[in-house]
Amino acid sequence: KQEVTQIPAALSVPEGENLVLNCSFTDSAIYNLQWFRQDPGKGLTSLLLIQSSQREQTSGRLNASLDKSSGRSTLYIAASQPGDSATYLCAVRGSSASKIIFGSGTRLSIRP
Amino acid sequence: EAGVVQSPRYKIIEKKQPVAFWCNPISGHNTLYWYRQNLGQGPELLIRYENEEAVDDSQLPKDRFSAERLKGVDSTLKIQPAELGDSAVYLCASSLDGGGSNRGTDTQYFGPGTRLTVL
Repeated sequence: KQEVTQIPAALSVPEGENLVLNCSFTDSAIYNLQWFRQDPGKGLTSLLLIQSSQREQTSGRLNASLDKSSGRSTLYIAASQPGDSATYLCAVRGSSASKIIFGSGTRLSIRP
Repeated sequence: EAGVVQSPRYKIIEKKQPVAFWCNPISGHNTLYWYRQNLGQGPELLIRYENEEAVDDSQLPKDRFSAERLKGVDSTLKIQPAELGDSAVYLCASSLDGGGSNRGTDTQYFGPGTRLTVL
């Protein structure tokens, strides 16, 4: 059974810092891994999707990497801004049952 | 273009009462998902539709939950009767082709959710 873990559960950093969010999964047989952002009281917004054959994806100040063999993905945020404050979730789509499993998220706070 | 639309946004009911949530996906999206999100947790898939067919409902508590997507467009999720533990945010998402050969690149788009409180 696929399990997705995100550590830490919460992170607070000063504005301008570069930071890394972590996501680990137990079953490396995946179709893709997706990073989402969730603002309080809102739905999820897709940030980046990495296919199983890819090692990274970039969008603006965001870079997501995928290492299937070690069951890990990281989301790198460069030059953090207060507007980046949100909960970041990763989701893994398994190849066997096409089931999508979410981590519990990392609540990020960027201090001005 | 409008995103995924959900209603109501908030619902407060007493236990044992019925409740229904409605979702209209992005136009042209074949795949529709219903998730439940408890406080401090990630969303948990309840059911996934490919057009009007429910292809993954293994996590749906079938004794009290039901869902339908009759014409392969909008969908309704119902709980009857509601229990205290059903308090959560119910999220709907859609994607172009979540079950096809392109599912490796298929991005999900989420609605704002319905926050259910059962008293």
